[in-house]
Amino acid sequence: GQSLEQPSEVTAVEGAIVQINCTYQTSGFYGLSWYQQHDGGAPTFLSYNALDGLEETGRFSSFLSRSDSYGYLLLQELQMKDSASYFCAVENRDDKIIFGKGTRLHILP
Amino acid sequence: NAGVTQTPKFQVLKTGQSMTLQCAQDMNHEYMSWYRQDPGMGLRLIHYSVGAGITDQGEVPNGYNVSRSTTEDFPLRLLSAAPSQTSVYFCASSRDGSNQPQHFGDGTRLSIL
Repeated sequence: GQSLEQPSEVTAVEGAIVQINCTYQTSGFYGLSWYQQHDGGAPTFLSYNALDGLEETGRFSSFLSRSDSYGYLLLQELQMKDSASYFCAVENRDDKIIFGKGTRLHILP
Repeated sequence: NAGVTQTPKFQVLKTGQSMTLQCAQDMNHEYMSWYRQDPGMGLRLIHYSVGAGITDQGEVPNGYNVSRSTTEDFPLRLLSAAPSQTSVYFCASSRDGSNQPQHFGDGTRLSIL
């Protein structure tokens, strides 16, 4: 089977850095994605890692360790608009994309 | 550029009724999928398709049917609605295969009474 674990909630202060972790179990693995979803909205793509290492896109970075079945999303210089839910998702060789239950990020002024 | 369009945006059904949720994309994407989202459960994959004429089951396929007769359209059918199918449904598409960013529609909010 497949499963993903990520914290249900994280709280951070505006301007700070926050890391959201994701561990996964899957039969066959192609890559790990991250999505952002604001309340009432649709998920939007943030990043994708197929290989070990760090991918940087502006204030957001994503890391993958295939040997540890682990990844994280790093958000820097937090802004109030970053308050949202963040989902990790794994892609396996059956072409399925399975999402975690999401991490609700609360940002304090 | 419309992207992924879902209709309707809201719907209320009675138990036992049938309904089709529509999903269309204008990006010539091969890969399309349906998810349902319930509080605290994240996004759960219902069915997906890697191209026209090909569909497969996801994590929670029971009670739902799909077909993919064209590249653009991927309708989701509820044959006999049940209260447990009350949820927000999202359709998504990506260019080819699944190792591409998924583009999501705005969702359909479905209530079954």
